[in-house]
Amino acid sequence: NAGVMQNPRHLVRRRGQEARLRCSPMKGHSHVYWYRQLPEEGLKFMVYLQKENIIDESGMPKERFSAEFPKEGPSILRIQQVVRGDSAAYFCASSPLPGNYEQYFGPGTRLTVT
Amino acid sequence: ELKVEQNPLFLSMQEGKNYTIYCNYSTTSDRLYWYRQDPGKSLESLFVLLSNGAVKQEGRLMASLDTKARLSTLHITAAVHDLSATYFCAGDTGTASKLTFGTGTRLQVTL
Repeated sequence: NAGVMQNPRHLVRRRGQEARLRCSPMKGHSHVYWYRQLPEEGLKFMVYLQKENIIDESGMPKERFSAEFPKEGPSILRIQQVVRGDSAAYFCASSPLPGNYEQYFGPGTRLTVT
Repeated sequence: ELKVEQNPLFLSMQEGKNYTIYCNYSTTSDRLYWYRQDPGKSLESLFVLLSNGAVKQEGRLMASLDTKARLSTLHITAAVHDLSATYFCAGDTGTASKLTFGTGTRLQVTL
């Protein structure tokens, strides 16, 4: 059973460009969480999605950031008009809920904004 | 809102020594998690603690949970260099809720 997959693993964008980060959950998992880790800091929750639904987006910045988890295909975290402060590692986690609450983390996407 | 604090933030210890990392949380947390992160890597799940008094051990690491004190500890016994990493604790409040992470403890084990 393959683990949580994220791509790309590294992404470089210039200020003002768009960044698209993809997350494929583990097989059988229909719950996806996105977290951001700034350098030398802990992980901060951004958004929780189920297929075709955003359940909790309380950690998402109000502007430029959006997320989706379509019926088919990976979950996507989209950052428009990136700024240097968006440089971070973005981790996706998936969970098989209900019944099993544990979140399994992907390898992360390291975004660098130049 | 759940808040999680860890201390110390940085820990340098010699091989063979014992030490404890502390994790305090502000409100009731349904579960308490410990993760390990190596530089540039993802998070590796170490322990999930579900109830008051829970104690789990794996190799040189032992985690415990005191829900009344809102405190979890990660105890390291006879440290070895391979344990050098950053350790995070995290809590959640509900079956399908987000994880709230502590700031992490960067552990460096020296020879």
